[in-house]
Amino acid sequence: DIQMTQSPSSLSASVGDRVTITCQASQDISNYLNWYQQKPGKAPKLLIYDASNLETGVPSRFSGSGSGTDFTFTISSLQPEDIATYYCQQYDNLPPGGGFTFGPGTKVDIK
Amino acid sequence: EVQLVQSGAEVKKPGESLKISCKGSGYSFTSYWIGWVRQMPGKGLEWMGIIYPGDSDTRYSPSFQGQVTISADKSISTAYLQWSSLKASDTAMYYCARLGGYVPNWFDPWGQGTLVTVSS
Repeated sequence: DIQMTQSPSSLSASVGDRVTITCQASQDISNYLNWYQQKPGKAPKLLIYDASNLETGVPSRFSGSGSGTDFTFTISSLQPEDIATYYCQQYDNLPPGGGFTFGPGTKVDIK
Repeated sequence: EVQLVQSGAEVKKPGESLKISCKGSGYSFTSYWIGWVRQMPGKGLEWMGIIYPGDSDTRYSPSFQGQVTISADKSISTAYLQWSSLKASDTAMYYCARLGGYVPNWFDPWGQGTLVTVSS
């Protein structure tokens, strides 16, 4: 199974700050890496797909990059409404033998 | 608008059976995989399995194989997640989500979630 390491597990930043979250896969996953935002009490929401593509309707302050094993998610200017937990998710072929794995999450709050 | 609407919260006792549902609308239900994701209280997201309603091809995460059953009724655009004998450790929020992508690899959109509470 492919393991996902996500860091940091939590962070506190000021409004307007640049926030960066990293996700590392235990083996090459090409660009099959997606990012989700989950606000308290809500379902997750897709923000970035295929490592760097912004989902329709998502603000442009969100971005993603990377390929292979190392990926980065960035909020260019943190806003109060961005308080949430962010998850990366990888795909490595349909099971059996493959599947989907979520990272452990990064909780973002305002300093 | 593509939408997934899940059935309501459930409170069950250990050993009871349960089937929760996820109804799709606004798209061709038979043409996209649907996945189920568990979130235990205060914890992260865990992929459980997926189903292709067009032919009922079903794949499970090894962690959930044999623990749950995923099915679909394409005539009413609804996917299901069921348990034959619930345990207290099944207490969690369960989400369904559609798989997107030329290679189907991301989950979007998501249902609103179904909270399952198992307690004696």
